[in-house]
Amino acid sequence: DIVLTQSPDSLAVSLGERATFNCKSSQSVLYSSNNKNYLAWYQQKPRQPPKLLIYWASTRESGVPDRFSGSGSGTDFTLTISSLQAEDVAVYFCQQYFSIPFTFGPGTKVNIK
Amino acid sequence: EVQLLESGGGLVQPGGSLRLSCAASGFTFSSYAMSWVRQAPGKGLEWVSVISGSGGSTHYADSVKGRFTISRDDSKNTMYLQMNSLRAEDTAVYYCAKNSGSNCYSHFDYWGQGTLVTVSS
Repeated sequence: DIVLTQSPDSLAVSLGERATFNCKSSQSVLYSSNNKNYLAWYQQKPRQPPKLLIYWASTRESGVPDRFSGSGSGTDFTLTISSLQAEDVAVYFCQQYFSIPFTFGPGTKVNIK
Repeated sequence: EVQLLESGGGLVQPGGSLRLSCAASGFTFSSYAMSWVRQAPGKGLEWVSVISGSGGSTHYADSVKGRFTISRDDSKNTMYLQMNSLRAEDTAVYYCAKNSGSNCYSHFDYWGQGTLVTVSS
């Protein structure tokens, strides 16, 4: 199974500041045939289901604010919030869909400093 | 607008059974793979099962293999999860999720609100 680790576990950032967190995979999730990384990022606010933010590691889902961006390839990935807003307080999960069983990282909790 | 509505959760004794349903609307249901993902209270997300758009391919997490069965009825735009031999560790909110393509190997672009399954005596 592919294990995803996320760092840090939690992060407190001032409003308007940049938030960056990481996801590391135990195996590459880059599929050579199409050169796509099978890695997604989700946001989960309290008492809500997860919401898709980023897929193929760096493609922003329609309707997601452009302050959210994803980067990385192979085994190392990053989600960046360029200017943290109050509504961004949530837990952020990465997920690989490269191989079954699909797996999620443990999440990074983002709060306001 | 895509909508996914789960139902069928509740309290069940260890060893018991439940069938979850996920009623879908707002998209061509038969064209997309569908998944179940669960979240134990206060914990992270765990993928449970996926069924392809054609229904011909299904996959399960090892933790539920042999006990849970995923299925779909495209005439009713509904996906199911039959859960047998339930254990305390199956207690979780179960989310229905729409995959982004007909292939199982795709991300989850829409999620339902979830239904709570509690396994306890």
